[in-house]
Amino acid sequence: AQTVTQSQPEMSVQEAETVTLSCTYDTSESDYYLFWYKQPPSRQMILVIRQEAYKQQNATENRFSVNFQKAAKSFSLKISDSQLGDAAMYFCAYRTANSGNTPLVFGKGTRLSVIA
Amino acid sequence: GAVVSQHPSRVICKSGTSVKIECRSLDFQATTMFWYRQFPKQSLMLMATSNEGSKATYEQGVEKDKFLINHASLTLSTLTVTSAHPEDSSFYICSAWGRGLYYGYTFGSGTRLTVV
Repeated sequence: AQTVTQSQPEMSVQEAETVTLSCTYDTSESDYYLFWYKQPPSRQMILVIRQEAYKQQNATENRFSVNFQKAAKSFSLKISDSQLGDAAMYFCAYRTANSGNTPLVFGKGTRLSVIA
Repeated sequence: GAVVSQHPSRVICKSGTSVKIECRSLDFQATTMFWYRQFPKQSLMLMATSNEGSKATYEQGVEKDKFLINHASLTLSTLTVTSAHPEDSSFYICSAWGRGLYYGYTFGSGTRLTVV
């Protein structure tokens, strides 16, 4: 079974600075998707960024980018120019690409605080 | 984009009563619905997976007679907490997958259930 590990329960960053959230995963599959979800105090799950395992290029969405190291099974999220609105719980998630209706496997999350 | 409407957002019920939570896909056909439970400051815990027209598949340890899931149509799935007790108080989130949603899943906004 696949597992996702987020080793940082809490992180903090100064406003306008850069922070990196770590995520590692374990799988025997070669084709899969990885995601970062943000859960603000409203508790709505918001997709931040996704990465297809077959793509070597790291995904980027505005201030958010990932460092995908397939061999090391690592998928970290970098937030640049941090803003107060980035404060939230961040979950790393895995999904197999072999079937469209299998559930996401979530890490335990990292709570990010942004200091003004 | 794909939207899932979840209702109610908050509900308080008396111990022993039943509560129904609805998730509707507004602009796509949700062939699969995932139901999660989330305790404070914790990750999402998968409770069950339901495919339209089929019986739900429950995760180990989840009481299927207590948490009734119905997915009778491609746009509506319901979770009924039967004979609710205070320990059932939690945050419940649905997440839908449908044809055309090739990557991530769309989440409902969640329901905070309080049993008194």
